[in-house]
Parts: sequence; C-alpha cells; structure tokens
Amino acid sequence: TQLLEQSPQFLSIQEGENLTVYCNSSSVFSSLQWYRQEPGEGPVLLVTVVTGGEVKKLKRLTFQFGDARKDSSLHITAAQPGDTGLYLCAVPFYGNNRLAFGKGNQVVVIP
Amino acid sequence: EAQVTQNPRYLITVTGKKLTVTCSQNMNHEYMSWYRQDPGLGLRQIYYSMNVEVTDKGDVPEGYKVSRKEKRNFPLILESPSPNQTSLYFCASRSFTEAFFGQGTRLTVV
Repeated sequence: TQLLEQSPQFLSIQEGENLTVYCNSSSVFSSLQWYRQEPGEGPVLLVTVVTGGEVKKLKRLTFQFGDARKDSSLHITAAQPGDTGLYLCAVPFYGNNRLAFGKGNQVVVIP
Repeated sequence: EAQVTQNPRYLITVTGKKLTVTCSQNMNHEYMSWYRQDPGLGLRQIYYSMNVEVTDKGDVPEGYKVSRKEKRNFPLILESPSPNQTSLYFCASRSFTEAFFGQGTRLTVV
C-alpha cells in the first residue's frame, strides 16, 4: 500500500501558465518534504513543511501543508521550462528512521 | 562541497555475475540508504543503515546485500543479479532535516 498518493502523475503545460500538484495520504505526519528530480540526476530537496496550514514560498513555487498534516500541495506560478522535472513528496516514518516517497508528479513545461 | 558519490553511473552485466555499486558521502552522516526507481513504482527503499555496522531491510531487500564498515561508505551488493533487478539505483545520505542523493546508477541485467 502506497503511503503517499501524488496527483496528477503527469502534467504538461505551456510556459507562463500556472499549475498545482498534490500529495495526499490518510496518515498524519510530523513533517513533509518536496524534492525535485531532473533527468539523469538524484532528487534535490526544495522545502520542508512542519506545521499544519503552513505555507512556504520558493520564488515562483508555493508549498502548503494541509491543516490536518495529511496532505500537501505545490503551486507553480508562471511556469518556466526550467521547472520541468519530477516532483516528489516524502515523509518520515518508523520513528523518523525511514523516509517514504510518493511516485511523483512529472511536470513538463513547454516553451 | 556536500556530496554523495556513486559508481559506476552506468553498468550492463549478465545474469548471475556478482557486482557491487559503491556509495560514499563526505557529510559525516550516520544515516545512509539505497533506493531503486522504476517507472510507475517510484522510489522504493532497498536497505538502510543508521550507523556503522547497523543495517536494516527496506521495502524491497530481496536479492541485495549491503555493508556498513565505515561511516562514509555504504556499498550495494548484488550476489547473483537477475533481469528484474534492471533499474535506476540511488544512494542517499541523510541528516535530520534533509536527504542528499547520489547521481544514480543505471543498471541493466541481461
């Protein structure tokens, strides 16, 4: 059973458009992380959210942790081709001894 | 520069021929792990290690071995590779707040 469900799996948009992707679970987490993976590379951490309802911004990327700490969203404003990549959400579990990942949101921004 | 280094980046091998993928980190992290990434299945943890000489199974440990004799190194061993182990493998080193990944090893078993 997948701990984290990410949707949509694949999203293709034109440069300049906005997009939102989601990471959902039925479990409550102490924190949630978003990573971005570019082709041929390992995932790189973008942000960590820890408080229910928390909103963090990273340039044109806005991350929100759900009030109940079960889900999160990533919104990209005016997407650029450089935003293309696989966005992965991850949560600690097993007493923070392990990190579980969703399957990812593949985002393609067309110039 | 904080780094996790995996070698080799690409490997094609034959069924049954033992191989080792090396992983080294320079951040003095106690925690290291191995993942495999497959289309439609995402990142799945193979093994993890919380410190020297302490290792434990992840979600898909069958067919793999690991060792942690020193803090900086965490090699992944495939004693008898099979075609279903064809995958993209990532080593990760983790602080309390962040996981750092290597660049990946693309393994093909024919």
